[in-house]
Amino acid sequence: AQTVTQSQPEMSVQEAETVTLSCTYDTSENNYYLFWYKQPPSRQMILVIRQEAYKQQNATENRFSVNFQKAAKSFSLKISDSQLGDTAMYFCAPQGAQKLVFGQGTRLTINP
Amino acid sequence: EAEVAQSPRYKITEKSQAVAFWCDPISGHATLYWYRQILGQGPELLVQFQDESVVDDSQLPKDRFSAERLKGVDSTLKIQPAELGDSAMYLCASSLDGYGYTFGSGTRLTVV
Repeated sequence: AQTVTQSQPEMSVQEAETVTLSCTYDTSENNYYLFWYKQPPSRQMILVIRQEAYKQQNATENRFSVNFQKAAKSFSLKISDSQLGDTAMYFCAPQGAQKLVFGQGTRLTINP
Repeated sequence: EAEVAQSPRYKITEKSQAVAFWCDPISGHATLYWYRQILGQGPELLVQFQDESVVDDSQLPKDRFSAERLKGVDSTLKIQPAELGDSAMYLCASSLDGYGYTFGSGTRLTVV
């Protein structure tokens, strides 16, 4: 079974700052994917970024990047030049055997 | 852009009543998922379909919950009878290849 730990229930930063959200996970699978999802107050779950576990290169998507440490089973999300629209719950979600498992989330607030 | 459609957006029901939610995945997506998200927590998988077949329903409370996807397209999740603890957001997601889900806007259920 997969487990996910997001150790930061809440974070708050000023607009334009850089923020890093942490995530550790446990899985017995060798081939899997890792995702970060964003859920703004509207409650729509939106994919932010995805990483294939077999790839060593960290994924990047505009202002969003990850630091994937496979041996440590760590998958952190860095948001650069944060914007007010980044305010949301962020969920780390590893996926193996076609099943997506979510962490408890980090509530991120971007302050003007 | 293709979307996963869910209805209704909001539902208030009295305990012991029956309630049903509907989901129409993105066209061509063979895999469909129902998740339950209690306020302040991450989503938890209730049931996974591959076409019309149930792949995983290990977390579905089968004494009161049922799910079907008769023609392998849209799906219905039913609760009968509803209990106060069923109040949550019910999210539907679909996937083409089992990796990378697209979520609907969800149905927020309140049981009174």
